[in-house]
Order: sequence, then structure tokens, then C-alpha cells
Amino acid sequence: DTGVSQNPRHKITKRGQNVTFRCDPISEHNRLYWYRQTLGQGPEFLTYFQNEAQLEKSRLLSDRFSAERPKGSFSTLEIQRTEQGDSAMYLCASSALGQGIGGSPLHFGNGTRLTVT
Amino acid sequence: AQSVSQHNHHVILSEAASLELGCNYSYGGTVNLFWYVQYPGQHLQLLLKYFSGDPLVKGIKGFEAEFIKSKFSFNLRKPSVQWSDTAEYFCAVLISGGYNKLIFGAGTRLAVHP
Repeated sequence: DTGVSQNPRHKITKRGQNVTFRCDPISEHNRLYWYRQTLGQGPEFLTYFQNEAQLEKSRLLSDRFSAERPKGSFSTLEIQRTEQGDSAMYLCASSALGQGIGGSPLHFGNGTRLTVT
Repeated sequence: AQSVSQHNHHVILSEAASLELGCNYSYGGTVNLFWYVQYPGQHLQLLLKYFSGDPLVKGIKGFEAEFIKSKFSFNLRKPSVQWSDTAEYFCAVLISGGYNKLIFGAGTRLAVHP
């Protein structure tokens, strides 16, 4: 399977703990995105990388959140001092650069479901 | 701020019924429009997309959508649904200069009964 891979699939943690998620995009894709999805809502944009450069961050991404893509390949999303409100599905997506504003469509992973107790 | 509205949160249909899911967006500039589908337990998958040209676009599994610029709408249609179409459907918009950043609607959960 050459799709977007996310690990772990599920994470249960206690409030105050730190968690880290990993995303492996489709290998030839330059662009990588993190989204968050809560129950009854569509995915909300968190941050975007083009190769290793983090080019955009949403205001949803508080200072407890940090994302990296050190070599322009896989990416990690870390949440420090987790809060119950962080409970959500965290989605990773990738796409290739393309002409025009469309580029190639986003390909999503299965997500990491975080539960903060 | 740009936003996407999906009018129906839950839709229940019988097999062979026709489907139309509404989607409106708020942005006055150039947009690309998408419908994604999420089947139970699976990841989001692209159903169809509109970039330019013919405003009536056809996607996989018999779905189609019509872009009506004057109404800022991109409604999804299927003439005859099947039980296997049971899923959640998300409309999304990509605005110019937005780094391919999709803005999603809240989704419509479709249940098709045999």
C-alpha cells in the first residue's frame, strides 16, 4: 500500500501528558498537511509543509502543538501538556506540487484518534 | 473568512432513491471545489473535483456535481443510490493562493437502507 500512513491509529493519554504522532506521506509528494477532526465536524486545517519548510500554521495550533518535517519526508505532530479538548482525530494528508491553484488532490491517511482522559 | 456550508447533516434514503447534497461556499475569488467521501472505518477519499471548464463534473461510482458560480454552490447528485453509498460526504473548497489548503464543510452523513 503506497498511501499515506499514520501511527499510531489510537492513542489514549492522561491529561497533562505529551503525545507524538507520525505521518508518512506518499513518497513523491512535496506537500504535507495536518488536519484535526472532531465529532460532527469536517476536518480543520492545522499546518502545512512544503518539503521541510512549515509554510502555514492555523490559529488553532496553540503553542502546545508543534509539527516537524525534518528531511522533507515523514512528519511528526507533538502535543504537549494535553488537555481534554485535544481529543480528536488527527489527519495527515499529502499532495504533489502542480500547476495552477489546484495542484494534485489531497490524499488522506486513516488518522490517529486521540483520547485525553 | 472563507467557509463551506453543507445544509444537511443527516440524510436517510432507500435504495434507488435519488440523492442531492447541498454545498455552498463563501469566497468571491477563484476556487477549486471537491467532494470527499469517508466510508465507515476508512480514510477520506476523493469523489470528484472541479477545477475549470464544464461546470458539471462526473466522479466515481456514478456521482456528479454541478458548479453554479452565481449561487456559490457545488451540489452533489446521484440518480440512484445503493446501500454501499452509506458514508459521510464532505464538500471542500480550495482558494487561490491557499497552498492547496482545503476548507471543509461539516459533512453530511448518508444512510441508505436496503
